[in-house]
Amino acid sequence: GNSVTQMEGPVTLSEEAFLTINCTYTATGYPSLFWYVQYPGEGLQLLLKATKADDKGSNKGFEATYRKETTSFHLEKGSVQVSDSAVYFCALWNDYKLSFGAGTTVTVRA
Amino acid sequence: NAGVTQTPKFQVLKTGQSMTLQCAQDMNHNSMYWYRQDPGMGLRLIYYSASEGTTDKGEVPNGYNVSRLNKREFSLRLESAAPSQTSVYFCASNDRVQETQYFGPGTRLLVL
Repeated sequence: GNSVTQMEGPVTLSEEAFLTINCTYTATGYPSLFWYVQYPGEGLQLLLKATKADDKGSNKGFEATYRKETTSFHLEKGSVQVSDSAVYFCALWNDYKLSFGAGTTVTVRA
Repeated sequence: NAGVTQTPKFQVLKTGQSMTLQCAQDMNHNSMYWYRQDPGMGLRLIYYSASEGTTDKGEVPNGYNVSRLNKREFSLRLESAAPSQTSVYFCASNDRVQETQYFGPGTRLLVL
């Protein structure tokens, strides 16, 4: 079946620090991969996606590369801001459904 | 363009009561989904509807029923609420071609 494992949190960083959240997956076939972000009190919104191996998704300074050989899709940002404080979810799309990781809570301090 | 809307935003129920969570989307999407979000468990799929007139069970369907009323609306019903159903419920929709889901703001449900 499909499953997503992501780095446990919570993660606390200072402003301008480098952020990495690890994500690995198990799936049949070649799923599309996603990172969603959830700000406090809101629903999830798409942050970035990649649909095939070696694709790089990017948005708002965040990046993630689809690595088929390591079945990974790690999220990175070079310099975080307080406004990046949120819960981040890695997900894969397969069989017309999304499967989510458990989520990683990120807090950025000024 | 409101996207995905959900009602109510917050609800308190007593054990054994019933209620229906409403969801509507105005993006002309074929597929709609209901998830629950619990701490440390991510989002788990309850039911989904790949197209108007069809519904299928997800990962955690027990205790829930759904109705795809038309292309826009997809409701989730709890027939006899239990404390284990205390959660935040999210509705989502997507265009299958895009493979991108759009989420509503959520309903916080507390079952006492």
